[in-house]
Amino acid sequence: AQKVTQAQTEISVVEKEDVTLDCVYETRDTTYYLFWYKQPPSGELVFLIRRNSFDEQNEISGRYSWNFQKSTSSFNFTITASQVVDSAVYFCALSEAGNQFYFGTGTSLTVIP
Amino acid sequence: NAGVTQTPKFQVLKTGQSMTLQCAQDMNHEYMSWYRQDPGMGLRLIHYSVGAGITDQGEVPNGYNVSRSTTEDFPLRLLSAAPSQTSVYFCASSYGQEDTEAFFGQGTRLTVV
Repeated sequence: AQKVTQAQTEISVVEKEDVTLDCVYETRDTTYYLFWYKQPPSGELVFLIRRNSFDEQNEISGRYSWNFQKSTSSFNFTITASQVVDSAVYFCALSEAGNQFYFGTGTSLTVIP
Repeated sequence: NAGVTQTPKFQVLKTGQSMTLQCAQDMNHEYMSWYRQDPGMGLRLIHYSVGAGITDQGEVPNGYNVSRSTTEDFPLRLLSAAPSQTSVYFCASSYGQEDTEAFFGQGTRLTVV
């Protein structure tokens, strides 16, 4: 069974629009960690954020914000006032006690100038 | 400040050839892993290692071998390349605790013809 689901395959927005990338995860562990990575067109994987299962506080970093809700098993990522440089593939990932990372299939975001 | 280094960046193989993808990290990380990235499928775990001398299979291990003789190095061997192994390969390392992010290499784009 897919442990991390990113239902949005591709999203296009016009510059300065807000956009939310969805992530739904599945785990039986009570302790787990969630991550978001960005993969720009150059191909490298860039770590964005880590959140543990005991901390449901939302986090804001500049134009980025993350909403973690255990009740719905979701860890959504919002970009406010999107910019062309935000165009990339974004991956949500889950890490359980076994130290393995389970990645979603990614959401390709295109920001149109 | 090298981080995770993968070589080569690009490779073309003929069906049936063998080769080794190299991965080295200089962060003294215990945990290392190999992923393949295919369109629409995200990153899938091939093999991983929780320390020198210890390796285990991930989600898609068939056709690949690994060994971990040192903490720093984690090579991935393709025994007899097949077109289905055409992919982008990423090596990752982390401290080996579930709350730490994985650091990725730049990726190797492999084409099997």
